[in-house]
Amino acid sequence: QAVVTQEPSLTVSPGGTVTLTCGSSTGAVTGGHYPYWLQQKPGQVPRTLIYDINKRHSSTPARFSGSLLGGKAALTLSAAQPEDEADYYCLLSYSVWVFGGGTKLTVL
Amino acid sequence: EVHLVESGGVVAQPGGSLRLSCAASGFNFEDYPMHWVRQAPGKGLEWVALITRDSVHTNYVDSVRGRFTISRDNSQNSLYLQMNSLKTDDSALYYCVTQIGGWVFWGQGTLVTVSS
Repeated sequence: QAVVTQEPSLTVSPGGTVTLTCGSSTGAVTGGHYPYWLQQKPGQVPRTLIYDINKRHSSTPARFSGSLLGGKAALTLSAAQPEDEADYYCLLSYSVWVFGGGTKLTVL
Repeated sequence: EVHLVESGGVVAQPGGSLRLSCAASGFNFEDYPMHWVRQAPGKGLEWVALITRDSVHTNYVDSVRGRFTISRDNSQNSLYLQMNSLKTDDSALYYCVTQIGGWVFWGQGTLVTVSS
C-alpha cells in the first residue's frame, strides 16, 4: 500500500506563513487522490480543514488554503495564530484511504 | 446532525478477540461507505478498514488483513469491526468514520488496549 509523507514538524512565527506538504510514494499527488487536510488538537477528534485539494469547509478560517505544488498536496497557513498550533494530517484516497504521518506545527 | 458513537473497546489479551460497534444517526447510513480509523497513543492516524454502502466490497490495511472483519447492518444503522488474533500493536483509539459532502465525520472513538 502507498506511503504518504509529511514533514514531521514545522515552526512558524505568529503572523507568519508556512506551507505543509503531502507526498505519495506512488508518484505525483493529483486531484484523483482527493487530498484532504485535517487538524487535530490534543484530546480532540480530527477536524476537516480542506478537501478536494483546495475546497475550504465553511468553518475553516480563510488563512488556510490548499493547493498542488511540485507533485505534492500543500496546505498553506498565512498569518498564523497561536490557536493554529496542532497536528495536521494529509489524507489521500487510492482504492483505500492513506493518512500521512502528520506534521506537528508549532506557532512560536 | 451526523452522530457516530463507538463502543466495545476494552482491555484484551494478545491472541484474543473483540467486536467494536458504531451506532450512526443523522444521515442516510445506507448511502455512504464507512471506515474504521485508529490512533495509537501519541501516534498518528491509521486507516484500518473500509466497507461499501452495500457491503459488497471491503478492504483492509495490510497489518490487519486476515485478522479483522468489517461489516455493517443498514437496517440497524450500525457498523462493526470484528478483531481476532489481537496483537499489542493493535492497541489504539478506534474511530468510526464517514465522509459526506467534503467533510470527514468522526465518532469520539473507543479505546482498545491489548496487554497481557
